[in-house]
Amino acid sequence: AQRVTQPEKLLSVFKGAPVELKCNYSYSGSPELFWYVQYSRQRLQLLLRHISRESIKGFTADLNKGETSFHLKKPFAQEEDSAMYYCALSGLGTALIFGKGTTLSVSS
Amino acid sequence: DVKVTQSSRYLVKRTGEKVFLECVQDMDHENMFWYRQDPGLGLRLIYFSYDVKMKEKGDIPEGYSVSREKKERFSLILESASTNQTSMYLCASRSQGARGTGELFFGEGSRLTVL
Repeated sequence: AQRVTQPEKLLSVFKGAPVELKCNYSYSGSPELFWYVQYSRQRLQLLLRHISRESIKGFTADLNKGETSFHLKKPFAQEEDSAMYYCALSGLGTALIFGKGTTLSVSS
Repeated sequence: DVKVTQSSRYLVKRTGEKVFLECVQDMDHENMFWYRQDPGLGLRLIYFSYDVKMKEKGDIPEGYSVSREKKERFSLILESASTNQTSMYLCASRSQGARGTGELFFGEGSRLTVL
């Protein structure tokens, strides 16, 4: 069965500290992995996807098939990074399955 | 600029009422989705549609139905609203890419309260 696990409901860090939001998945085939973000009073939007292998707003995420993980990382957190982050998985031709989300709080 | 529009941002209904949530996208996307978003539970898929007049059940379809008569419009229907359907409802759409996956574009959400 497809499943996405985000073990942390809340992650609180200080400005300038490194950030790692964890995501583990369960899928038998070759999934496509995403990170979506929802800032306060804004709609949910795509942050990055693993096939793009790009850095968005300083965030990166590497797909580790051996550990079935897709952790989101940023070396130096900014206050504007405070938001709800969702990891999501999609197989070929299927709907996206989301994790329960992690709230990132960055304080000065 | 891509756009997914949900007609109602806030609704308050009474138990037993019929509720319609409308969603329109202007991107000519084939796929449309309805999720509900609850604190601590994340986004859960209710129904989705790959084409006009086609629908598939998601993870939590009970108590809901959908309608897709036109490509741009996907409606979520609560036949008889109950208090446990109080939630934020998110509509999304995406194109049918070669892999069948792609970026989801979300609406702003419809916050439904059932009294």
